Amino acid sequence: KAGVTQTPRYLIKTRGQQVTLSCSPISGHRSVSWYQQTPGQGLQFLFEYFSETQRNKGNFPGRFSGRQFSNSRSEMNVSTLELGDSALYLCASSPGYDVRLAKNIQYFGAGTRLSVL
Amino acid sequence: TQLLEQSPQFLSIQEGENLTVYCNSSSVFSSLQWYRQEPGEGPVLLVTVVTGGEVKKLKRLTFQFGDARKDSSLHITAAQTGDTGLYLCAGPYDTDKLIFGTGTRLQVFP
Repeated sequence: KAGVTQTPRYLIKTRGQQVTLSCSPISGHRSVSWYQQTPGQGLQFLFEYFSETQRNKGNFPGRFSGRQFSNSRSEMNVSTLELGDSALYLCASSPGYDVRLAKNIQYFGAGTRLSVL
Repeated sequence: TQLLEQSPQFLSIQEGENLTVYCNSSSVFSSLQWYRQEPGEGPVLLVTVVTGGEVKKLKRLTFQFGDARKDSSLHITAAQTGDTGLYLCAGPYDTDKLIFGTGTRLQVFP
């Protein structure tokens, strides 16, 4: 079974530009979550999509948005880039919360490293 | 807001040494997970602990879930250079969300 695929792996943009990142989840997984990882703040939750609907949202400004398509593939968009947006953006797919086992396992992609100059 | 604090933040040791990483919270979690992230990669799940007091062993790695389900520890015996990476604990909240700990960066030198 193929893992979570994120494209591109690396991206360099300048302030004020916008960027779109792509994520293909593991086949059969309907939940896709996005995280931002920086040395100072660690791994922070951006949002989660399930069946094309944003189900959960983290504490990020409206410049960060996303969407999910009918095939569960997801895109994340950041508009009006700022220097502080430089980070590793991770996508994770999940089969969903297992109530019986009380766990929600996330399978991560390798990430997209975004550098804003 | 639920928080997961990990300690230590950084750990630098020689091959063959033992180490313990801690993950603490003031909140109760139904389960806790441990992930390892290597440079240039995303986090990979190592284990999930579900029952208070549970101990799980994965070769040289021993994971323990606190009796009150507010804390967990990861003990590595005879560390190897391949253990180098960022170790993250994570716990579910609001059913479908996952909150990650602050992370412990481990460097094992030959």
